[in-house]
Amino acid sequence: QKEVEQNSGPLSVPEGAIASLNCTYSDRGSQSFFWYRQYSGKSPELIMFIYSNGDKEDGRFTAQLNKASQYVSLLIRDSQPSDSATYLCAALRGSQGNLIFGKGTKLSVKP
Amino acid sequence: GAGVSQSPSNKVTEKGKDVELRCDPISGHTALYWYRQSLGQGLEFLIYFQGNSAPDKSGLPSDRFSAERTGGSVSTLTIQRTQQEDSAVYLCASGAIAGAGDTQYFGPGTRLTVL
Repeated sequence: QKEVEQNSGPLSVPEGAIASLNCTYSDRGSQSFFWYRQYSGKSPELIMFIYSNGDKEDGRFTAQLNKASQYVSLLIRDSQPSDSATYLCAALRGSQGNLIFGKGTKLSVKP
Repeated sequence: GAGVSQSPSNKVTEKGKDVELRCDPISGHTALYWYRQSLGQGLEFLIYFQGNSAPDKSGLPSDRFSAERTGGSVSTLTIQRTQQEDSAVYLCASGAIAGAGDTQYFGPGTRLTVL
């Protein structure tokens, strides 16, 4: 079983809508979770991290973590065409170490 | 300040040749990671350095792969006797500390093509 799973998409939303990106993980020992955005041909850039159950908001982005369900999500409000990218969910292995990445969800925001 | 830098940005080599990929982490960052991303695949962990501790090599796919980090700063990833399946983008990341909530900052990557 893949440790971090994401729907590969593509997820298509109209401009101004809310985009909802989901991720599940298998290792209950994982404590911290990260969302990265990767534009085509570019390296990943961090959007947010979360390690407490509940919601964490940063501008148009909200990360949600439910450790009981082993579920992480990223909501993007007022989606813009510039948000079109692949979104990578990652779990930190243990308390320190490398990240375990999902394969990413491709988001397309249509004008 | 300057971000993570990697060189070369592109490398084309022939099967069987050795290659060296370089990573310059953000100044002061003690944690350094190597990942690779193959077409259509997610990022795959290769190796992790934290300060002066022995590196975590658990992600290296074979003994053809090795890495070192000199002086706690610059790192070199070496692939010996390259194979076509080694073709991928090799990404380096660094972080101030390795732990919960810490951010890993990625470099631009080296695209390796093995002919």
